[in-house]
Amino acid sequence: QVQLVQSGAEVKKPGASVKVSCKASGYTFTSYDINWVRQATGQGLEWMGWMNPNSGNTGYAQKFQGRVTMTRNTSISTAYMELSSLRSEDTAVYYCAPRGRFGDLTSWGQGTLVTVSS
Amino acid sequence: SYVLTQPPSVSVAPGQTARITCGGNNIGSKSVHWYQQKPGQAPVLVVYDDSDRPSGIPERFSGSNSGNTATLTISRVEAGDEADYYCQVWDSSSDHQVFGTGTKVTVL
Repeated sequence: QVQLVQSGAEVKKPGASVKVSCKASGYTFTSYDINWVRQATGQGLEWMGWMNPNSGNTGYAQKFQGRVTMTRNTSISTAYMELSSLRSEDTAVYYCAPRGRFGDLTSWGQGTLVTVSS
Repeated sequence: SYVLTQPPSVSVAPGQTARITCGGNNIGSKSVHWYQQKPGQAPVLVVYDDSDRPSGIPERFSGSNSGNTATLTISRVEAGDEADYYCQVWDSSSDHQVFGTGTKVTVL
């Protein structure tokens, strides 16, 4: 079955960067775009962007342009999301999810809590 | 940018039917997906492509989409259905995912 295992919780200071990993199994990693979504405590789901694991092509939400970088290592079926210039408002749970052929996010990682605090 | 609007909350008695709407400009022309999220858990896809259910999702969950409104219907509501629900579309014009504002379903 499809499984996405994300890296553990992080605590960062304002201005720092964080890199979250997402290891996929149970399907062909290069067949589906990986999307990243975040959720601040008590808030809704916020889409950050996508990455095509086959080509490495990416598309980012305008809000995160210039601060987010999505990459992958196909040899270990792992996607990465790096967010820089962190501020307190970036404190959230970050999720990865492959996009199905209808645009749906079929399975989700367990989430990674990133806390930004001085 | 494309906007999806949901009611903040819906309350329903056990055994009754809950309907959650998702409004967007000409949303009927798009493929709509629905997610259930319980506290402390990742979202789970419950309906995709307007009205299809992933394997393992009860038939009590159904969806429809027409005009400017998509609807998730939960029949014979159970206590375990209490959760937040989000609609979502892929906006091909911008190549972006768009999520609805979310609806908290409370089972009375």
